[in-house]
Amino acid sequence: GAGVSQSPSNKVTEKGKDVELRCDPISGHTALYWYRQSLGQGLEFLIYFQGNSAPDKSGLPSDRFSAERTGGSVSTLTIQRTQQEDSAVYLCASSSSVGGREYFGPGTRLTVT
Amino acid sequence: KNEVEQSPQNLTAQEGEFITINCSYSVGISALHWLQQHPGGGIVSLFMLSSGKKKHGRLIATINIQEKHSSLHITASHPRDSAVYICAVRSGSARQLTFGSGTQLTVLP
Repeated sequence: GAGVSQSPSNKVTEKGKDVELRCDPISGHTALYWYRQSLGQGLEFLIYFQGNSAPDKSGLPSDRFSAERTGGSVSTLTIQRTQQEDSAVYLCASSSSVGGREYFGPGTRLTVT
Repeated sequence: KNEVEQSPQNLTAQEGEFITINCSYSVGISALHWLQQHPGGGIVSLFMLSSGKKKHGRLIATINIQEKHSSLHITASHPRDSAVYICAVRSGSARQLTFGSGTQLTVLP
């Protein structure tokens, strides 16, 4: 079946603009995670959704970052007033249960100029 | 100190060699994951384990909960194994993964 998909695959934006990144998890997966991988850095957690529970936003680096998950499926990560330090690969993952194996999407490479 | 430490950071091997990548962590965990990231960025989950040992093809993962240590072994390594291998843990009741910095493996023909 289809895996996790993300769009766009690449995004170049000017500093100060807003961007939206999309994640389509595997159908039926209730848990959805957003991670960020900056150049030369490891992966870092951003936000987690599980079913209808309130999301865990503890990893969001600033209030310019927000995310939503509509209908328990598709998720959108929004970065407002982008800064150069936001340049990174943004990865989405989903799993069928809390603490289960995570399946990663291909990522969105964001470049802020 | 990072919660998850990997070694080595970089590893170059000749085709056919037995490879070991190590991961140590400092917190109580519910599970440890080994991930593989190929050039181009795609991440694949290789193993999820909370005790003992798992094997899949030429890959073997072990974990020692008491010592807070895990190893990933690759037998009969091949150039297609060249990738970044990442150790990640899910600690206690946390829902998200905490990642090590990765090990860049290059297997030469």
